[in-house]
Amino acid sequence: DTGVSQDPRHKITKRGQNVTFRCDPISEHNRLYWYRQTLGQGPEFLTYFQNEAQLEKSRLLSDRFSAERPKGSFSTLEIQRTEQGDSAMYLCASSPGQGAAETQYFGPGTRLLVL
Amino acid sequence: DQQVKQNSPSLSVQEGRISILNCDYTNSMFDYFLWYKKYPAEGPTFLISISSIKDKNEDGRFTVFLNKSAKHLSLHIVPSQPGDSAVYFCAASGSGNTGKLIFGQGTTLQVKP
Repeated sequence: DTGVSQDPRHKITKRGQNVTFRCDPISEHNRLYWYRQTLGQGPEFLTYFQNEAQLEKSRLLSDRFSAERPKGSFSTLEIQRTEQGDSAMYLCASSPGQGAAETQYFGPGTRLLVL
Repeated sequence: DQQVKQNSPSLSVQEGRISILNCDYTNSMFDYFLWYKKYPAEGPTFLISISSIKDKNEDGRFTVFLNKSAKHLSLHIVPSQPGDSAVYFCAASGSGNTGKLIFGQGTTLQVKP
């Protein structure tokens, strides 16, 4: 199966700890997106990569959050000094990157719980 | 500012009947619309999409209708099946060149046997 994969699927951490999530997009997809979803809400855009370049960041992405896509393939999302409000499902999606109107395909998500 | 709204948090229909899920948007720059289905503890699964140059797109049991003048789209599922029970999200893109999606809050569909 060559869908989007995310690791880990679940993460429980204590407030103040750092966490890192990984996303592997569909092979040859140039665009990679990170979203966050909280209970009862739709996914909210966090950031976007075109190949290795991070081209847009939401104002939701505080300075405790950093994302990278060093070789234009997999991506990591790190949260430093986690807070209870960071508890959410973190979703990664990818798309071919051929035009603005494209379908994004989502991974299974990483559910983060900050105690 | 909620640019994409799904005003019905939940919908219950009988198996075999039609399910109609609605979505409204405010940004006239949106030019591509998608519906996703989501089960608990899983990522959204793409269902169907429509470009703003069309007013209808059909794929099997799923049909999406777009009314640009009313800034409204709907997803019709017919006939509904118990396996369709899930949360449905509409999403829009086009305000900018990034392709980022703006999602509604979701509608929980329950199809009763």
